[in-house]
Amino acid sequence: AQSVTQLDSQVPVFEEAPVELRCNYSSSVSVYLFWYVQYPNQGLQLLLKYLSGSTLVKGINGFEAEFNKSQTSFHLRKPSVHISDTAEYFCAVSDPGTGGFKTIFGAGTRLFVKA
Amino acid sequence: EAGVAQSPRYKIIEKRQSVAFWCNPISGHATLYWYQQILGQGPKLLIQFQNNGVVDDSQLPKDRFSAERLKGVDSTLKIQPAKLEDSAVYLCASSSGGGLSTDTQYFGPGTRLTVL
Repeated sequence: AQSVTQLDSQVPVFEEAPVELRCNYSSSVSVYLFWYVQYPNQGLQLLLKYLSGSTLVKGINGFEAEFNKSQTSFHLRKPSVHISDTAEYFCAVSDPGTGGFKTIFGAGTRLFVKA
Repeated sequence: EAGVAQSPRYKIIEKRQSVAFWCNPISGHATLYWYQQILGQGPKLLIQFQNNGVVDDSQLPKDRFSAERLKGVDSTLKIQPAKLEDSAVYLCASSSGGGLSTDTQYFGPGTRLTVL
Protein backbone atom coordinates (compact mmCIF):
# COMPACT_ATOMS: atom_id res chain seq x y z
CA ALA A 1 0.00 0.00 0.00
CA GLN A 2 1.10 3.53 -0.72
CA SER A 3 2.45 5.62 2.16
CA VAL A 4 3.72 9.15 2.69
CA THR A 5 6.44 10.34 5.08
CA GLN A 6 6.88 13.96 5.98
CA LEU A 7 10.33 14.09 7.47
CA ASP A 8 9.88 17.14 9.71
CA SER A 9 6.99 17.58 12.12
CA GLN A 10 7.86 21.24 12.75
CA VAL A 11 9.93 23.76 10.81
CA PRO A 12 10.66 27.15 12.40
CA VAL A 13 12.04 29.79 10.04
CA PHE A 14 12.56 33.54 10.05
CA GLU A 15 10.50 35.79 7.81
CA GLU A 16 11.98 36.29 4.31
CA ALA A 17 14.17 33.19 4.65
CA PRO A 18 13.81 30.26 2.22
CA VAL A 19 12.11 27.07 3.35
CA GLU A 20 11.91 23.46 2.21
CA LEU A 21 9.36 20.99 3.54
CA ARG A 22 10.31 17.42 2.80
CA CYS A 23 8.05 14.63 1.60
CA ASN A 24 8.85 11.07 0.56
CA TYR A 25 6.43 8.42 -0.70
CA SER A 26 6.71 4.69 -1.11
CA SER A 27 7.73 3.55 -4.52
CA SER A 28 5.33 2.99 -7.36
CA VAL A 29 5.39 3.01 -11.13
CA SER A 30 3.26 6.13 -11.31
CA VAL A 31 1.76 8.38 -8.70
CA TYR A 32 -0.08 11.64 -8.38
CA LEU A 33 1.29 13.99 -5.71
CA PHE A 34 -0.29 16.88 -3.86
CA TRP A 35 0.56 19.52 -1.27
CA TYR A 36 -2.26 20.96 0.82
CA VAL A 37 -2.09 23.80 3.38
CA GLN A 38 -4.26 24.07 6.48
CA TYR A 39 -4.47 27.48 8.18
CA PRO A 40 -5.68 27.58 11.80
CA ASN A 41 -9.36 26.69 12.15
CA GLN A 42 -9.75 26.21 8.40
CA GLY A 43 -10.04 23.27 6.06
CA LEU A 44 -7.28 22.05 3.79
CA GLN A 45 -6.58 24.00 0.60
CA LEU A 46 -4.70 22.72 -2.42
CA LEU A 47 -1.31 24.39 -2.96
CA LEU A 48 -0.20 22.41 -6.00
CA LYS A 49 -0.30 19.00 -7.60
CA TYR A 50 1.83 16.86 -9.88
CA LEU A 51 0.02 14.63 -12.34
CA SER A 52 2.51 14.29 -15.19
CA GLY A 53 4.89 16.30 -17.34
CA SER A 54 7.35 18.83 -15.94
CA THR A 55 8.82 17.73 -12.65
CA LEU A 56 8.82 21.30 -11.30
CA VAL A 57 5.33 22.31 -10.28
CA LYS A 58 4.38 25.85 -9.35
CA GLY A 59 1.48 26.52 -7.02
CA ILE A 60 -0.27 29.33 -5.26
CA ASN A 61 1.30 31.82 -2.84
CA GLY A 62 4.78 31.46 -4.41
CA PHE A 63 5.24 27.80 -3.50
CA GLU A 64 6.75 25.21 -5.82
CA ALA A 65 7.59 21.52 -5.57
CA GLU A 66 9.86 19.18 -7.46
CA PHE A 67 8.97 15.59 -8.27
CA ASN A 68 12.01 13.32 -8.06
CA LYS A 69 11.13 9.80 -9.18
CA SER A 70 14.51 8.25 -8.40
CA GLN A 71 14.40 9.52 -4.82
CA THR A 72 10.61 9.11 -4.50
CA SER A 73 10.40 12.64 -3.15
CA PHE A 74 8.17 15.67 -3.64
CA HIS A 75 9.68 18.46 -1.55
CA LEU A 76 7.91 21.81 -1.21
CA ARG A 77 9.91 25.04 -1.41
CA LYS A 78 9.44 28.78 -1.13
CA PRO A 79 12.31 31.23 -1.66
CA SER A 80 11.06 33.82 0.85
CA VAL A 81 8.40 33.12 3.47
CA HIS A 82 5.96 35.52 5.11
CA ILE A 83 4.36 35.51 8.53
CA SER A 84 1.10 34.58 6.80
CA ASP A 85 2.63 31.28 5.62
CA THR A 86 2.45 29.97 9.18
CA ALA A 87 0.25 26.88 8.82
CA GLU A 88 0.30 23.10 8.62
CA TYR A 89 1.32 21.58 5.31
CA PHE A 90 0.27 18.12 4.17
CA CYS A 91 1.82 16.05 1.42
CA ALA A 92 -0.51 13.52 -0.20
CA VAL A 93 -0.27 10.77 -2.81
CA SER A 94 -2.73 8.91 -4.99
CA ASP A 95 -1.75 5.73 -6.77
CA PRO A 96 -3.80 5.20 -9.93
CA GLY A 97 -2.09 1.88 -10.53
CA THR A 98 -4.10 0.19 -7.81
CA GLY A 99 -7.34 1.14 -9.53
CA GLY A 100 -8.50 2.90 -6.42
CA PHE A 101 -9.45 6.47 -5.73
CA LYS A 102 -7.93 6.94 -2.30
CA THR A 103 -5.62 9.83 -1.45
CA ILE A 104 -3.14 9.09 1.35
CA PHE A 105 -2.00 12.02 3.47
CA GLY A 106 1.21 12.44 5.42
CA ALA A 107 1.19 13.43 9.08
CA GLY A 108 1.84 17.08 8.29
CA THR A 109 4.61 19.63 8.84
CA ARG A 110 3.90 22.68 10.94
CA LEU A 111 5.64 25.72 9.46
CA PHE A 112 6.19 28.51 11.95
CA VAL A 113 7.44 31.80 10.50
CA LYS A 114 9.05 34.14 13.01
CA ALA A 115 9.46 37.90 12.65
CA GLU B 1 -18.90 30.31 -5.07
CA ALA B 2 -19.80 29.03 -1.63
CA GLY B 3 -17.41 26.52 -0.11
CA VAL B 4 -18.04 23.25 1.66
CA ALA B 5 -20.21 23.81 4.72
CA GLN B 6 -20.05 21.72 7.87
CA SER B 7 -21.91 21.80 11.16
CA PRO B 8 -21.52 21.86 14.02
CA ARG B 9 -17.99 23.26 14.25
CA TYR B 10 -17.44 21.85 17.73
CA LYS B 11 -19.06 19.03 19.68
CA ILE B 12 -18.34 17.61 23.12
CA ILE B 13 -20.01 14.38 24.17
CA GLU B 14 -19.48 11.60 26.67
CA LYS B 15 -18.43 8.13 25.62
CA ARG B 16 -21.26 5.83 24.55
CA GLN B 17 -23.33 8.80 23.38
CA SER B 18 -24.31 9.35 19.77
CA VAL B 19 -23.36 12.24 17.52
CA ALA B 20 -24.06 13.35 13.96
CA PHE B 21 -22.21 15.67 11.63
CA TRP B 22 -23.61 17.38 8.56
CA CYS B 23 -21.90 18.42 5.35
CA ASN B 24 -23.11 20.39 2.34
CA PRO B 25 -20.66 20.18 -0.58
CA ILE B 26 -19.98 22.78 -3.23
CA SER B 27 -22.95 23.00 -5.58
CA GLY B 28 -22.64 20.56 -8.47
CA HIS B 29 -19.87 18.46 -6.94
CA ALA B 30 -20.73 14.81 -7.42
CA THR B 31 -18.05 13.38 -5.16
CA LEU B 32 -18.13 13.77 -1.39
CA TYR B 33 -15.54 12.55 1.10
CA TRP B 34 -15.48 12.21 4.89
CA TYR B 35 -12.09 12.20 6.59
CA GLN B 36 -11.02 11.67 10.20
CA GLN B 37 -8.04 13.76 11.35
CA ILE B 38 -6.65 12.71 14.71
CA LEU B 39 -4.38 15.23 16.43
CA GLY B 40 -0.86 15.01 15.03
CA GLN B 41 -1.88 12.91 12.03
CA GLY B 42 -2.95 13.55 8.48
CA PRO B 43 -6.53 13.10 7.33
CA LYS B 44 -7.67 9.51 6.88
CA LEU B 45 -10.46 8.73 4.41
CA LEU B 46 -13.50 7.20 6.07
CA ILE B 47 -15.93 7.09 3.16
CA GLN B 48 -16.26 8.41 -0.39
CA PHE B 49 -19.56 8.93 -2.21
CA GLN B 50 -20.10 9.36 -5.93
CA ASN B 51 -23.53 11.02 -6.12
CA ASN B 52 -25.51 8.90 -3.63
CA GLY B 53 -23.49 5.71 -4.08
CA VAL B 54 -20.57 4.56 -1.90
CA VAL B 55 -17.25 4.27 -3.77
CA ASP B 56 -14.97 3.39 -0.85
CA ASP B 57 -15.80 2.74 2.80
CA SER B 58 -13.00 0.32 3.54
CA GLN B 59 -11.70 2.35 6.50
CA LEU B 60 -15.08 3.16 8.03
CA PRO B 61 -15.59 1.35 11.38
CA LYS B 62 -18.98 0.07 10.39
CA ASP B 63 -19.88 -1.27 13.83
CA ARG B 64 -20.24 2.31 15.09
CA PHE B 65 -19.94 4.70 12.14
CA SER B 66 -22.52 5.24 9.42
CA ALA B 67 -22.88 7.78 6.64
CA GLU B 68 -25.51 8.59 4.08
CA ARG B 69 -26.01 10.88 1.12
CA LEU B 70 -29.57 10.11 0.23
CA LYS B 71 -30.25 12.71 -2.47
CA GLY B 72 -26.70 12.94 -3.76
CA VAL B 73 -26.18 16.39 -2.27
CA ASP B 74 -25.63 16.86 1.47
CA SER B 75 -24.40 14.10 3.74
CA THR B 76 -24.55 13.03 7.37
CA LEU B 77 -21.91 11.08 9.30
CA LYS B 78 -23.03 9.41 12.52
CA ILE B 79 -21.15 7.77 15.38
CA GLN B 80 -23.09 5.48 17.70
CA PRO B 81 -21.84 4.82 20.33
CA ALA B 82 -18.80 7.07 20.56
CA LYS B 83 -15.49 5.95 22.06
CA LEU B 84 -12.68 8.04 23.50
CA GLU B 85 -10.50 7.27 20.47
CA ASP B 86 -13.09 8.93 18.19
CA SER B 87 -11.92 12.35 19.40
CA ALA B 88 -10.73 14.02 16.20
CA VAL B 89 -11.58 16.60 13.58
CA TYR B 90 -14.01 15.27 10.98
CA LEU B 91 -13.44 16.85 7.60
CA CYS B 92 -15.80 16.85 4.67
CA ALA B 93 -14.52 17.46 1.16
CA SER B 94 -16.02 17.50 -2.31
CA SER B 95 -14.77 17.39 -5.87
CA SER B 96 -16.32 17.97 -9.28
CA GLY B 97 -14.71 15.08 -11.12
CA GLY B 98 -15.57 11.44 -11.07
CA GLY B 99 -13.79 10.84 -7.80
CA LEU B 100 -10.55 10.11 -9.62
CA SER B 101 -7.10 10.26 -8.10
CA THR B 102 -6.39 13.45 -10.06
CA ASP B 103 -9.32 15.43 -8.69
CA THR B 104 -8.75 18.51 -6.55
CA GLN B 105 -10.63 18.15 -3.29
CA TYR B 106 -12.20 21.17 -1.61
CA PHE B 107 -12.39 20.89 2.16
CA GLY B 108 -14.79 22.29 4.72
CA PRO B 109 -13.59 23.76 8.03
CA GLY B 110 -14.23 20.52 9.91
CA THR B 111 -16.07 19.49 13.07
CA ARG B 112 -13.91 19.06 16.15
CA LEU B 113 -15.27 16.20 18.27
CA THR B 114 -14.19 15.68 21.85
CA VAL B 115 -15.31 12.47 23.57
CA LEU B 116 -15.02 12.54 27.38
